[in-house]
Amino acid sequence: GAGVSQSPRYKVAKRGQDVALRCDPISGHVSLFWYQQALGQGPEFLTYFQNEAQLDKSGLPSDRFFAERPEGSVSTLKIQRTQQEDSAVYLCASSAPGVDLSGANVLTFGAGSRLTVL
Amino acid sequence: AQKVTQAQTEISVVEKEDVTLDCVYETRDTTYYLFWYKQPPSGELVFLIRRNSFDEQNEISGRYSWNFQKSTSSFNFTITASQVVDSAVYFCALRRPGGYQKVTFGTGTKLQVIP
Repeated sequence: GAGVSQSPRYKVAKRGQDVALRCDPISGHVSLFWYQQALGQGPEFLTYFQNEAQLDKSGLPSDRFFAERPEGSVSTLKIQRTQQEDSAVYLCASSAPGVDLSGANVLTFGAGSRLTVL
Repeated sequence: AQKVTQAQTEISVVEKEDVTLDCVYETRDTTYYLFWYKQPPSGELVFLIRRNSFDEQNEISGRYSWNFQKSTSSFNFTITASQVVDSAVYFCALRRPGGYQKVTFGTGTKLQVIP
């Protein structure tokens, strides 16, 4: 597609429910990132995929958070047994394959999924 | 460890005024990259500029300009003759070079341009 698409845009969950957030990156983009953005804060890194391989999950806040990208395109971020502190916007970003001449590929972000846990 | 500080939480200016958004960063790397992103109310982060640590030349793009000073670890962003459409949250960010490196963002500066 033309941009990074995320769904749902808004999700309200009761505490304890499981949620799944979807990211459809730009076609052909190898790298995919998930970020968490709390209200009034900057995005915080959660996890990174290169194709289907999850190379870094150091930012996932607990074992209730799980991400996958089984075919190297669409990715899903799953949060089990949601807690109120999970309320945030979850941003997905992708970048083109390889390393561009600058050495630092630009990330293209989706509009995010806003999760509210009651 | 890498850190980005945007001390200005919110700024309000009247349309057509100039405004500068401050960014100070910390890194132990000798090579690194700096970015500015804009986040309008729609939520999507929009890339504005990328600068590598080797290039200290200031850059101008239309009403936007960036002042990179390695000596003070600052990468400030100036909007000249601000417009209402400039109202957004602006993030400064830092990353290492290489095929994959996570981006570290500041906490953002919310800019409100009043007509």
